[in-house]
Amino acid sequence: DAGITQSPRHKVTETGTPVTLRCHQTENHRYMYWYRQDPGHGLRLIHYSYGVKDTDKGEVSDGYSVSRSKTEDFLLTLESATSSQTSVYFCAISAGAREQYFGPGTRLTVT
Amino acid sequence: AQSVTQPDIHITVSEGASLELRCNYSYGATPYLFWYVQSPGQGLQLLLKYFSGDTLVQGIKGFEAEFKRSQSSFNLRKPSVHWSDAAEYFCAVGVELVGGGADGLTFGKGTHLIIQP
Repeated sequence: DAGITQSPRHKVTETGTPVTLRCHQTENHRYMYWYRQDPGHGLRLIHYSYGVKDTDKGEVSDGYSVSRSKTEDFLLTLESATSSQTSVYFCAISAGAREQYFGPGTRLTVT
Repeated sequence: AQSVTQPDIHITVSEGASLELRCNYSYGATPYLFWYVQSPGQGLQLLLKYFSGDTLVQGIKGFEAEFKRSQSSFNLRKPSVHWSDAAEYFCAVGVELVGGGADGLTFGKGTHLIIQP
């Protein structure tokens, strides 16, 4: 299995609070991604990174920001969480435009 | 932009029977194609991938998929399913950007596979 960890694995937070999810890889891959998974929608791309400090928006980026200060870490921040951001969040990594490997996911509940 | 359609939300198959899960994509050129499997409460595991060459690709757990350019399809098959195959299956497409870069995969909405004893 690819060396990808996500923390926390579960989180419950209140509307309006900031939340940061962390993705850590040990594979030294250049590309890292954040997706959210919701019933009936499959996985949708939030943001991705193509190198340290290099990031770009995905399909559903509103309300989210990201940062990547080291190759191994990719942070996803919800500046002010809303109930619509209740979801399962997956991090993925890839060496290029090929297969992506996924982390175990973080289940976030916003009350 | 590319898109992926998995027409079947749920499929029920008897244990030991054959399986085919459908996937159609929309993209101007040949994308990279993938099938992933997700067991309840787990992350996604790569089953198989197609980049180029032989249009019939073999994957893990006895799965195979066939790329048909004329039909824009990449259907997943297994000759004999096992109870442990019960899971959610996702088809995904990716493209290589100019200069060899990558952005995210586009996923279908998934097919939930139920295995009857």
